[in-house]
Amino acid sequence: GAGVSQSPSNKVTEKGKDVELRCDPISGHTALYWYRQSLGQGLEFLIYFQGNSAPDKSGLPSDRFSAERTGGSVSTLTIQRTQQEDSAVYLCASSLEWRGSRETQYFGPGTRLLVL
Amino acid sequence: AQSVTQLGSHVSVSEGALVLLRCNYSSSVPPYLFWYVQYPNQGLQLLLKYTTGATLVKGINGFEAEFKKSETSFHLTKPSAHMSDAAEYFCAVSENSGGYQKVTFGTGTKLQVIP
Repeated sequence: GAGVSQSPSNKVTEKGKDVELRCDPISGHTALYWYRQSLGQGLEFLIYFQGNSAPDKSGLPSDRFSAERTGGSVSTLTIQRTQQEDSAVYLCASSLEWRGSRETQYFGPGTRLLVL
Repeated sequence: AQSVTQLGSHVSVSEGALVLLRCNYSSSVPPYLFWYVQYPNQGLQLLLKYTTGATLVKGINGFEAEFKKSETSFHLTKPSAHMSDAAEYFCAVSENSGGYQKVTFGTGTKLQVIP
């Protein structure tokens, strides 16, 4: 079946512009996560969705970052007024059941963002 | 709060040699532990996971890991490295946080396989 997909795969933007990153999770997965992977860093948790609500936004680095999820499916991560330090790979993951701690997260291929 | 430490950001082994990637964790509750692999320009893929039961867990591509509670470790091993094993490997710990799964990843270990 189809896995997690993300678009665009690559994005180059100018400092100060807004960008939108999209994630299509696996059908039926209720939990959706956004992570940021910077060079030499591990995966930094950004936000978690349970259905359409986001009970944990603690990882969003600033108020320039926001995310939404509609229909319990597609999610969009928006970065406003991008800065060079926002350059990273943004990974989306989904899992079947949000209540369990043993669930496997299935990752998309990521969006590589470069802010010039 | 949970945390994961991966010793060695880069590991090099010869083709056919033993692969050992180290992972230590801290968790206030019995942990669920994962190893993921990331090939270039791809997302992360599950290699194996420990939830309960047998402490030696076998995964895909001949990898296995052993949960050692006394050492708070979950090291990843493979008896004989293949060129195709060259990738970045992430150890992760998961616990229930406020009613949902919170996963903390290590900083990753890049495995180089030398022919």
